[in-house]
Amino acid sequence: DTEVTQTPKHLVMGMTNKKSLKCEQHMGHRAMYWYKQKAKKPPELMFVYSYEKLSINESVPSRFSPECPNSSLLNLHLHALQPEDSALYLCASSPQGTGYEQYFGPGTRLTVT
Amino acid sequence: AQSVTQLGSHVSVSEGALVLLRCNYSSSVPPYLFWYVQYPNQGLQLLLKYTTGATLVKGINGFEAEFKKSETSFHLTKPSAHMSDAAEYFCAVSDLPGGFKTIFGAGTRLFVKA
Repeated sequence: DTEVTQTPKHLVMGMTNKKSLKCEQHMGHRAMYWYKQKAKKPPELMFVYSYEKLSINESVPSRFSPECPNSSLLNLHLHALQPEDSALYLCASSPQGTGYEQYFGPGTRLTVT
Repeated sequence: AQSVTQLGSHVSVSEGALVLLRCNYSSSVPPYLFWYVQYPNQGLQLLLKYTTGATLVKGINGFEAEFKKSETSFHLTKPSAHMSDAAEYFCAVSDLPGGFKTIFGAGTRLFVKA
């Protein structure tokens, strides 16, 4: 199984809502990533987990809160988002860090109203 | 620091014509290089990668890329474009050893005309 799954596919939320994005992989990868992608731009790294520990936080606002409950799951908790947070949120995994390709999920299209 | 430059934000070819997407990199160590493709409303998919060894790398869907150290280039080619190749293509370089980041280029949108 070389697939990364993400749910939900689409999400519309108000600025006062709390919601979560979910990502799952069963490839035994030890590194998992959250990216934000705006239209016509490359993905921007938000967070990296390595062996279930947060390794990189790219100065992401605290209204985004990542969680890695186990080696297969990655969540992104959302609270009090702003309209400019509307984007495609991509999850990815890789066997380890440098030198390994990343496997991407299909993304969650988030719209903040 | 690692960086990637993709020349041309848009490339348009006719169906059956050669596809050439250009990528130049900067790296302080021997680089690991990647090409990813993204179809509309989908995630990124790996086309091919260069780590070490053979400088001509073959990927999926008939694409290949050649690593040229002297030119710091990793251009992507396909001999004959198909309508289904229309997508966004990202060249990327891996982080320094011990890191986790992938540094992406700005992307090139490929249009294929019938």
